Amino acid sequence: KAGVTQTPRYLIKTRGQQVTLSCSPISGHRSVSWYQQTPGQGLQFLFEYFSETQRNKGNFPGRFSGRQFSNSRSEMNVSTLELGDSALYLCASSLQGTGSYEQYFGPGTRLTVT
Amino acid sequence: SQQGEEDPQALSIQEGENATMNCSYKTSINNLQWYRQNSGRGLVHLILIRSNEREKHSGRLRVTLDTSKKSSSLLITASRAADTASYFCATARIQGAQKLAFGQGTRLTINP
Repeated sequence: KAGVTQTPRYLIKTRGQQVTLSCSPISGHRSVSWYQQTPGQGLQFLFEYFSETQRNKGNFPGRFSGRQFSNSRSEMNVSTLELGDSALYLCASSLQGTGSYEQYFGPGTRLTVT
Repeated sequence: SQQGEEDPQALSIQEGENATMNCSYKTSINNLQWYRQNSGRGLVHLILIRSNEREKHSGRLRVTLDTSKKSSSLLITASRAADTASYFCATARIQGAQKLAFGQGTRLTINP
C-alpha cells in the first residue's frame, strides 16, 4: 500500500497570509490526525477527523482548522499566519482511531512564516 | 498532563551496544506507543503495547510497560548506525478524547 502523502513538502509564507496543507491517508484508513512539531513545544496534537467529522481537537486557536473529504483525504488551514506557526506539520492516518491503533505518519510539511 | 516524558533527553553509545530509553506518564492509559523519527522527517511506528500487556518484542526492540509505576522502557539491542534518530513515546488515554500525547523524545546517537 502507498504510504501517507503530504503536500506541499515545503512552504514559505508571510505573516498575515493563510495556508492550506493537504494529506492523503493510507487506503482504507478512516482516521486522519494532524500534529504540529516545533523545537520548543515538541509534538502537539491539532485535531483528528474520522469519517468527515472532527472527533478530537487539541488546544490550538481557531485560526487552525481542518476538514476531511469523503475519500478520507484531509486538509488543514491556518489563517492569519504568525511567526510562531513556523513548524513541521505532520499528518497521520490510522485504521479506526487515533488512540487505539498505531498511526502512520506522512513526511510532513515544513512551514516557514517570515 | 498526560504527556509522556522520556529519559534521557539524549543518549550516545557505540555501535553494537544496547540502548535503553524510558518513558513516564501521569494518567491511566489505554495503550502506549513508541515512534522513531529521523531528522526532520515523519514518525515511524515501532511498537504499541496495551495496558494489559507487560512486555513486547519486535526484532531488536523490546518494550516493557509497568502501569503501577506509570512507566515504559524501550530497549534496542545490538545498535546500528541506522538506529540514530529521535525516539518518542506516546500515550492514549482510557477515557476522554482519544488522542496521542507525545513526550519530548530521546535523541539517540550511535557512534561507529
